[in-house]
Amino acid sequence: AQSVTQLDSHVSVSEGTPVLLRCNYSSSYSPSLFWYVQHPNKGLQLLLKYTSAATLVKGINGFEAEFKKSETSFHLTKPSAHMSDAAEYFCVVRVPNGKLTFGQGTILTVHP
Amino acid sequence: ETGVTQTPRHLVMGMTNKKSLKCEQHLGHNAMYWYKQSAKKPLELMFVYNFKEQTENNSVPSRFSPECPNSSHLFLHLHTLQPEDSALYLCASSQVGGGLENEQFFGPGTRLTVL
Repeated sequence: AQSVTQLDSHVSVSEGTPVLLRCNYSSSYSPSLFWYVQHPNKGLQLLLKYTSAATLVKGINGFEAEFKKSETSFHLTKPSAHMSDAAEYFCVVRVPNGKLTFGQGTILTVHP
Repeated sequence: ETGVTQTPRHLVMGMTNKKSLKCEQHLGHNAMYWYKQSAKKPLELMFVYNFKEQTENNSVPSRFSPECPNSSHLFLHLHTLQPEDSALYLCASSQVGGGLENEQFFGPGTRLTVL
């Protein structure tokens, strides 16, 4: 069975400071991992994905994530937050049968 | 229209009403999904359709009835719902098979309120 734990339900940063959203996973398989973002009243948009290639994955809008198998982590980072980054972020694990398991989400607030 | 569209975007219904949610994907994908997003809970997969055939039903109550007439359209028929069914219902699509499992693309969702 697989599971995803997002360690923070809320993260608050100031504009221009780094962002770190933490995600740990467990999976019986070699997983594919994703980060999705959801802005208010919008659907989920894919930020980036890890599918067993490079462990450091670059996504859209300056986000990146590093797959660390030894730590079973896939934390999302961005060097400098922008006001438009304020949204809810979901870490997702996918197993070979295609089933997705979502984390509970982290709400990112960006202060001016 | 591009991507995945859902209608209506908002729906308010009584417990005795019958309504339907519609999803359409313009991406040429062969798999479609319904998810339920409730406050303070992770997204829950409800149904999966591959090539118009239902391949997964995650113990969803029978008051939710999916229909997939073709690979581009997916419906969720609702009847005698309960207030706890109020949630955001998200549709997604992806391309599966051929050794590839691509990411899912999501629609904007239908915000359902059951009175």
